[in-house]
Amino acid sequence: GAGVSQSPSNKVTEKGKDVELRCDPISGHTALYWYRQSLGQGLEFLIYFQGNSAPDKSGLPSDRFSAERTGGSVSTLTIQRTQQEDSAVYLCASSLSLAGEYEQYFGPGTRLTVT
Amino acid sequence: AQRVTQPEKLLSVFKGAPVELKCNYSYSGSPELFWYVQYSRQRLQLLLRHISRESIKGFTADLNKGETSFHLKKPFAQEEDSAMYYCARSMNRDDKIIFGKGTRLHILP
Repeated sequence: GAGVSQSPSNKVTEKGKDVELRCDPISGHTALYWYRQSLGQGLEFLIYFQGNSAPDKSGLPSDRFSAERTGGSVSTLTIQRTQQEDSAVYLCASSLSLAGEYEQYFGPGTRLTVT
Repeated sequence: AQRVTQPEKLLSVFKGAPVELKCNYSYSGSPELFWYVQYSRQRLQLLLRHISRESIKGFTADLNKGETSFHLKKPFAQEEDSAMYYCARSMNRDDKIIFGKGTRLHILP
């Protein structure tokens, strides 16, 4: 069946512009996660959703970052007024339910480059 | 704060030699521990978890609560094992997963 998909696969934007990254989880997966993967920093947790609510937003690096999930399915990560340090690969993952019990399935990522 | 430490950024091992990727976690309660792997040009995927006590692709990992470690081991490295490996933990069943910074394993021919 279809796995987690993310769009766009690559995004180049100018500093100061806003970007939206999209994640389509596996159908039926109630938990959805966003991570940031950058060189030397490993995998940095940003936010997760259980259904449409986000119990833990502690990983969002600043108030320029926000995320929403609608209909218990698609999620959008928005970065406002992008900075060069936002350049990274943004990964989305979904699981049947919360992480401790179920495997996370990862998408291919969106590579964001801020010039 | 929860922490997962992978002390080696890069580990180079000759083909056929034993492999050990180190992982230590900050102690808190009864953690669930995982190893995820990302092969070149592929998605990050689960390799194994401590609760299932299984061996995947010849890899095993034993949870050592005394040393708060969850090292990944394989007795004989193969070239196809070259990849990025991430150790991860969650506090309990209902919590997010925290990842370490990863170790790049390079198998030398």
